[in-house]
Amino acid sequence: GENVEQHPSTLSVQEGDSAVIKCTYSDSASNYFPWYKQELGKRPQLIIDIRSNVGEKKDQRIAVTLNKTAKHFSLHITETQPEDSAVYFCAASRPPTGYALNFGKGTSLLVTP
Amino acid sequence: DAGITQSPRYKITETGRQVTLMCHQTWSHSYMFWYRQDLGHGLRLIYYSAAADITDKGEVPDGYVVSRSKTENFPLTLESATRSQTSVYFCASSGVEDEQFFGPGTRLTVL
Repeated sequence: GENVEQHPSTLSVQEGDSAVIKCTYSDSASNYFPWYKQELGKRPQLIIDIRSNVGEKKDQRIAVTLNKTAKHFSLHITETQPEDSAVYFCAASRPPTGYALNFGKGTSLLVTP
Repeated sequence: DAGITQSPRYKITETGRQVTLMCHQTWSHSYMFWYRQDLGHGLRLIYYSAAADITDKGEVPDGYVVSRSKTENFPLTLESATRSQTSVYFCASSGVEDEQFFGPGTRLTVL
């Protein structure tokens, strides 16, 4: 089955700096790659996603890049703010499993003022 | 997010007891999923369903049973709870090719 590796497991940055989280996947048939943010005690919430026919996608301070050849994708957060502190999960999914997600183990991001 | 609910939110049970976790969504989404979240493992798929009466196993299905007689409900049953099933359980739903929306989670403790 699909195996998603996520690095780093923890990341500490100063407010205003950029943060990058990287994921690799094993199944070349995977075609949907969402990123979820989970605050302590809360449910995961989608922050951005990308499909395999797109190389990059941006939404304000957040961007995701996908390299299908290397089977890796990355989350970039610019101008980080303390409220960006949370655990971030990458995931990958392939048809025909109805976008059942295989998650990475998460990155705990701490943004210090 | 209010469209997907889970009950109970917290449950304490004993080894060997049967426990059912409920999940209800109001969007008429076709797909529903059960994940468990454990420290060091992230979120792992237990079971998923593409439609009423269609279910399939995920990564960690052993010890769990699901059913989906109605589109809006997707209960998860632990037939004989074990301590290793202590976890936070998240239900999620999605339409075809849409974002997965997660429920608020159920924190289950098996003593």
